[in-house]
Amino acid sequence: DAKTTQPTSMDCAEGRAANLPCNHSTISGNEYVYWYRQIHSQGPQYIIHGLKNNETNEMASLIITEDRKSSTLILPHATLRDTAVYYCIVRSSDNYGQNFVFGPGTRLSVLP
Amino acid sequence: SAVISQKPSRDICQRGTSLTIQCQVDSQVTMMFWYRQQPGQSLTLIATANQGSEATYESGFVIDKFPISRPNLTFSTLTVSNMSPEDSSIYLCSVTGTPALQQYFGPGTRLTVT
Repeated sequence: DAKTTQPTSMDCAEGRAANLPCNHSTISGNEYVYWYRQIHSQGPQYIIHGLKNNETNEMASLIITEDRKSSTLILPHATLRDTAVYYCIVRSSDNYGQNFVFGPGTRLSVLP
Repeated sequence: SAVISQKPSRDICQRGTSLTIQCQVDSQVTMMFWYRQQPGQSLTLIATANQGSEATYESGFVIDKFPISRPNLTFSTLTVSNMSPEDSSIYLCSVTGTPALQQYFGPGTRLTVT
């Protein structure tokens, strides 16, 4: 069961901010929002996660709406190496040991 | 974070044969998972590898086709048995961190069946 919806693909100019949206309108109160990415032929890589507050790390920022029904992953200065499939996943903090369920994700192409 | 290695990184196999993929983690972990990623598709969970007991398989995957071993908390193997071209995929090992708020993935094994 897909708990998130994302656009199939997006383009972004190199050096610009990439804003990747995700809808999770049925999210529960104890479910976190996670973002992973998968660069071609590699295993998925963790980017960031959050519950309610906006989060920032060295890779990206995560903006979660107040009602938590949607979020946006922001890559502030996209580079060609950020070209990848980006997955938005919701997962309960109670589900210890449960695997992450991956949807189709958004294919981001960073263009020179 | 956990560092995961997989062997082999890639292989080309003939139909009807079997391939065993190894997954090694640099620390003890409770939960280990095996995923399959068919060409152009997202990741699909095959099974959860349980230490000291039989693996738990997802719908559509069976032990005879994908036997899994988990002899200790840092190692697991997945065997793809009696392979056909439809088994051509990337097979990924994954573990949950401590606390189990993150999931880490190995580099994957790219299998081509001819």
